[in-house]
Amino acid sequence: DGGITQSPKYLFRKEGQNVTLSCEQNLNHDAMYWYRQDPGQGLRLIYYSQIVNDFQKGDIAEGYSVSREKKESFPLTVTSAQKNPTAFYLCASSIGGTVSYEQYFGPGTRLTVT
Amino acid sequence: GENVEQHPSTLSVQEGDSAVIKCTYSDSASNYFPWYKQELGKRPQLIIDIRSNVGEKKDQRIAVTLNKTAKHFSLHITETQPEDSAVYFCAASTFDNAGNMLTFGGGTRLMVKP
Repeated sequence: DGGITQSPKYLFRKEGQNVTLSCEQNLNHDAMYWYRQDPGQGLRLIYYSQIVNDFQKGDIAEGYSVSREKKESFPLTVTSAQKNPTAFYLCASSIGGTVSYEQYFGPGTRLTVT
Repeated sequence: GENVEQHPSTLSVQEGDSAVIKCTYSDSASNYFPWYKQELGKRPQLIIDIRSNVGEKKDQRIAVTLNKTAKHFSLHITETQPEDSAVYFCAASTFDNAGNMLTFGGGTRLMVKP
């Protein structure tokens, strides 16, 4: 079953704790992305990676970190420095390269920090 | 960077009527314009896309038009059905040294009344 998966679906954390969200794809895509979605709003880009061992900051990277050690995996860490971490987090992947293609989204992780 | 504005933020239509959602973008270098549909609590899914070398594209009840000169593009849904009710996002893609990035509009909540 090909696709992009995220785990867990729901995540609860106490303020001050770092938390890592998982994103895995078996589509053989080079590019992977992390977005944040707040209620009633659009998607904002946190980080993206076009190739293994390389990633770039998006529009709202502060308080987040990523790694891309394997083509299939692009975990996102929400650090205690992120002021308002409660949100719906979406991971996506695409073929990559110099031509834009469809981004396929994972099911999302809803993070609640209290 | 790219800026995408989407209107209206909410749209209510009667079943069978047409719905039109409009987006404007700022970066004349943007060359790929996808539209995503997101049902409540679910992942966004691509419904149609258009590239900058094409002015119009149609897929059954859905069509997208692009005006590069004016930097705006629109989604048209004809013969709307209750299952069309969802949030729709437009996006514009630019390519820089770091790769392809999608910038999303703020979304339109479409409600189709039976």
